[in-house]
Amino acid sequence: GIQVEQSPPDLILQEGANSTLRCNFSDSVNNLQWFHQNPWGQLINLFYIPSGTKQNGRLSATTVATERYSLLYISSSQTTDSGVYFCAVSGGANSKLTFGKGITLSVRP
Amino acid sequence: DAGITQSPRYKITETGRQVTLMCHQTWSHSYMFWYRQDLGHGLRLIYYSAAADITDKGEVPDGYVVSRSKTENFPLTLESATRSQTSVYFCASSEGRATQYFGPGTRLLVL
Repeated sequence: GIQVEQSPPDLILQEGANSTLRCNFSDSVNNLQWFHQNPWGQLINLFYIPSGTKQNGRLSATTVATERYSLLYISSSQTTDSGVYFCAVSGGANSKLTFGKGITLSVRP
Repeated sequence: DAGITQSPRYKITETGRQVTLMCHQTWSHSYMFWYRQDLGHGLRLIYYSAAADITDKGEVPDGYVVSRSKTENFPLTLESATRSQTSVYFCASSEGRATQYFGPGTRLLVL
């Protein structure tokens, strides 16, 4: 199956800083999603982005499918951005997602 | 309530007992999923369903049973719970190969 690697595994930022989170995958994908898991455990979908670029407020994401990676950008980080960010991909005909191990982000005031 | 809900939110049981975790979604999404989340393993797919009466195994299906008689419900049953099934269980739904929406999770402790 597809392998998903996320980097860095941990990230500590000062409030207001910018960051880039990376997701590499081992095979062609037709489905790529970014999720945020907040400190209370809730998983929120941030982007559905199998290719191209999308922006939502301070967050944006880019997927370069031909080079098998995706980037999540967080600008002007806030303490509420803390949590774990997951990248999940699928390459098949169904909707089964394979998740990366996640990136733990801590934003300090 | 609109959205995707799970019950119970917390469950303590004993080894060998049968446990059923419930998942309900109000969007009429065709796909539903069950994941477990464990430290060091991230989220792993247990079972999924493409439509009512269609289910298939994920990465870690052993020890679990699912059914989907109605589009909106996707229960997960642990037929004989083991300590290794202590985990946080998440249900999710999507319309085809699109955004997956997750429920709040069920924390299960097997003693």
